[in-house]
Amino acid sequence: EIVLTQSPGTLSLSLGESATLSCRASQSVSSSYLAWYQQKPGQAPRLLIYGASTRATAIPGRFSGSGSGTDFTLTISRLQSEDFAVYYCQQYGTSPVTFGPGTKVDI
Amino acid sequence: EVQLVQSGAEVKKPGESLKISCKGSGYDFPSYWIAWVRQIPGKGLEWMGIIYPGDSDTRYSPSFQGQVTISADKSISTAYLQWSSLKASDTAMYYCARHRDYGDSRGYFDLWGRGTLVTVSS
Repeated sequence: EIVLTQSPGTLSLSLGESATLSCRASQSVSSSYLAWYQQKPGQAPRLLIYGASTRATAIPGRFSGSGSGTDFTLTISRLQSEDFAVYYCQQYGTSPVTFGPGTKVDI
Repeated sequence: EVQLVQSGAEVKKPGESLKISCKGSGYDFPSYWIAWVRQIPGKGLEWMGIIYPGDSDTRYSPSFQGQVTISADKSISTAYLQWSSLKASDTAMYYCARHRDYGDSRGYFDLWGRGTLVTVSS
């Protein structure tokens, strides 16, 4: 199975700054079938990005995804208070689908 | 409103059986795969398996095959996850999620339930 590694483990930033989160796969993710999720404490995950770069419904434009092959990035520009959360990447190019361990974005 | 509503938290003893549920509404429930995802407290997300409520076609992650049973009743728009004999290591939050399918059990999850916390303790 494909193993996803996310870095950094924790990202400490301030309001208004930009966040760059990395997701690296142990082998190429076919067709850029990679998704990103946000999870706040006590809540279910929420889909942000699929297909590496397509924003899900109602996701603000400050969230953007990029990458292909084995290296993918989630960028959050102009951090707002509601963006402080854990972010997971997930590949669905190869079965079984797998998740990364997460990156925590905190203040 | 498009949503998945999960059953409430459970506290069980090792060896007991359990069936939790996930009811969909606001969309054509039989036509979308439903996945179950485990999250051990403080840990990451693990895909357990999927079911297509329209015909109950079910696929399991190798890690969970034989450990749980996934089922569905399309007449009441509900999917289930069940255990025949719980272990302490089954203590976790269990989410159901709508799976957008790309074949061969691959897909992403665009709608999530709020989760059911299962605690197994003697």
